[in-house]
Amino acid sequence: QQPVQSPQAVILREGEDAVINCSSSKALYSVHWYRQKHGEAPVFLMILLKGGEQKGHDKISASFNEKKQQSSLYLTASQLSYSGTYFCGTESLNTGNQFYFGTGTSLTVIP
Amino acid sequence: SQTIHQWPATLVQPVGSPLSLECTVEGTSNPNLYWYRQAAGRGLQLLFYSVGIGQISSEVPQNLSASRPQDRQFILSSKKLLLSDSGFYLCSFFDRGPGELFFGEGSRLTVL
Repeated sequence: QQPVQSPQAVILREGEDAVINCSSSKALYSVHWYRQKHGEAPVFLMILLKGGEQKGHDKISASFNEKKQQSSLYLTASQLSYSGTYFCGTESLNTGNQFYFGTGTSLTVIP
Repeated sequence: SQTIHQWPATLVQPVGSPLSLECTVEGTSNPNLYWYRQAAGRGLQLLFYSVGIGQISSEVPQNLSASRPQDRQFILSSKKLLLSDSGFYLCSFFDRGPGELFFGEGSRLTVL
């Protein structure tokens, strides 16, 4: 049930871009993205409900390919505040309202 | 507005001791509630979820249990803790409006 995220870790310089991928073996109803700072609870970034839907949040956007059961998170012109661990959470079609999270991607932005 | 609180924030327990973590939600009714565990440097593992009072579904049948005695109260328990129970426990509820999972502040459990 747990989605697979890649890469596991990435280090960026300020201003660089990054892509985090999330894939599931199950047909998906929704994909959520969260960011977690060390020692804190995850914070909601966005939800994608429809196949092909793309959403944006400042310079962070995401896409959802329903057919491929994949989602990608795009971080553009990264800032120091983007550092943290990013998780995708998936809700599959046959297990509604159960949310399974990937193993996370550690993102570090350096000056 | 909805809020979620869980406690205690930190606890250190010996192996074999009992556990009780509590979570309450305010500002919403009949929420879906969840307990997740995060081991050090790992992802979020779904432990239990509940769609209503007394309705608990278990994802990990180990030595943990959950109860929902009231609509907005969710409790995680153990009769005898294991070393492997150490981790960061997060309670959450699902807000159908924005489609967002709200997380509590977390409870960090260390079993010695």
